[in-house]
Amino acid sequence: GENVEQHPSTLSVQEGDSAVIKCTYSDSASNYFPWYKQELGKGPQLIIDIRSNVGEKKDQRIAVTLNKTAKHFSLHITETQPEDSAVYFCAASIRGDTRSQGNLIFGKGTKLSVKP
Amino acid sequence: DAGVIQSPRHEVTEMGQEVTLRCKPISGHDYLFWYRQTMMRGLELLIYFNNNVPIDDSGMPEDRFSAKMPNASFSTLKIQPSEPRDSAVYFCASSPSPGTPWQYFGPGTRLTVT
Repeated sequence: GENVEQHPSTLSVQEGDSAVIKCTYSDSASNYFPWYKQELGKGPQLIIDIRSNVGEKKDQRIAVTLNKTAKHFSLHITETQPEDSAVYFCAASIRGDTRSQGNLIFGKGTKLSVKP
Repeated sequence: DAGVIQSPRHEVTEMGQEVTLRCKPISGHDYLFWYRQTMMRGLELLIYFNNNVPIDDSGMPEDRFSAKMPNASFSTLKIQPSEPRDSAVYFCASSPSPGTPWQYFGPGTRLTVT
């Protein structure tokens, strides 16, 4: 089955710097890669996602890149702010039919701390 | 919409007791998921439903765990009997359809079994 590795497990940056979180996946059939942000005491919230037919997607200060050949994808946060501090999870899944809808395999998470 | 609603938010119980966690998905969502989150294992999918029917329960750890979805607006996850190693945060999530793959998570239930 699919396996998702995420690095680093913790990341500390100064406010205004950039942060990069990397994930690798094992199943070449995976075609959907969301990123979730989990704040303390809350459930994970989707912040951005990318499908395998594109290599990069951007939304304001957040961008995600995908390298299908190498089977890795990354989250980039620019101009970090203290409110970006949270745990970030990457995930991978195969989209396209009912049975695979639930196969969202998560990485172990990265705790990001942004110091003012 | 109020989002995915879970209750209780916190549950403390003694080993051997029955625990029931509840979830109300977002109205109109066809898929409902139950996850467990621990420091050691991260986020694990336990079971998911499509149109109230269990599709994949391969993540349910053992027979002590059971989940039901009697209607489109309610699901339960039951642990009987509970054990200290069941202590974790349990999340419920819902999703509209295969064409919209993202999942909306509830706030979670923090379960402590002493």
